[in-house]
Amino acid sequence: DFVMTQSPDSLAVSLGERATINCKSSQSLLYSSNNKNYLAWYQQKPGQPPKLLIYWASTRESGVPDRFSGSGSGTDFTLTISSLQAEDVAVFYCQQYYRIPHTFGQGTKLEIK
Amino acid sequence: QVQLQESGPGLVKPSETLSLTCTVSDYSISSGYFWGWIRQPPGQGLEWIGSINHSGYTYYNPSLKSRVTMSVDTSKNQFSLKLTSVTAADTAVYYCARGEGETYNLAPYNWFDPWGQGTLVTVSS
Repeated sequence: DFVMTQSPDSLAVSLGERATINCKSSQSLLYSSNNKNYLAWYQQKPGQPPKLLIYWASTRESGVPDRFSGSGSGTDFTLTISSLQAEDVAVFYCQQYYRIPHTFGQGTKLEIK
Repeated sequence: QVQLQESGPGLVKPSETLSLTCTVSDYSISSGYFWGWIRQPPGQGLEWIGSINHSGYTYYNPSLKSRVTMSVDTSKNQFSLKLTSVTAADTAVYYCARGEGETYNLAPYNWFDPWGQGTLVTVSS
């Protein structure tokens, strides 16, 4: 299985500051034939299902604020929130869909400092 | 917009079979896509259980494959999950979701959107 490891496990960021979450895959998620990285990011608030934020590593889902951005390629990926808002408090997960079984990172809990 | 809703017993006894159904609204399952089940034990992360398409092609997580069966009922616009021989380790919130992305050689390469609200299934005697 592809193992997805997120860092840090938790972080606290001040309102208006940048938050950065990392995701590392045990194997490359870049498919050379189409130059796409098979990685998605989700946000999960308490008591709610995960919400899709990003797919293809950097494509923002429709309706997701542009303060959320995804970057990276191969095995190393980053989710960045450019200016943290109070409503962004949540747990964030990465997910690879390059290979079955699809696997998720362990989650990163984001809080307000 | 498409909506998904899980239904089924919230309490299952050890060694018995967990059965859940996902009802899809505002989109016909027959039109395409893979449809997935993902679970989340209390306070823990997400685990993909498997996915099924409208034709009944299934892909399961190898860690659960021996105990999992998924099926689809296009006439009811539903798909279902059965997990046999459950233990306390199967206690989780179970989500259904639509798989988006690519299908290649009939296999899904999917992220998931949207998701149902989830249903907590507790395994206990």
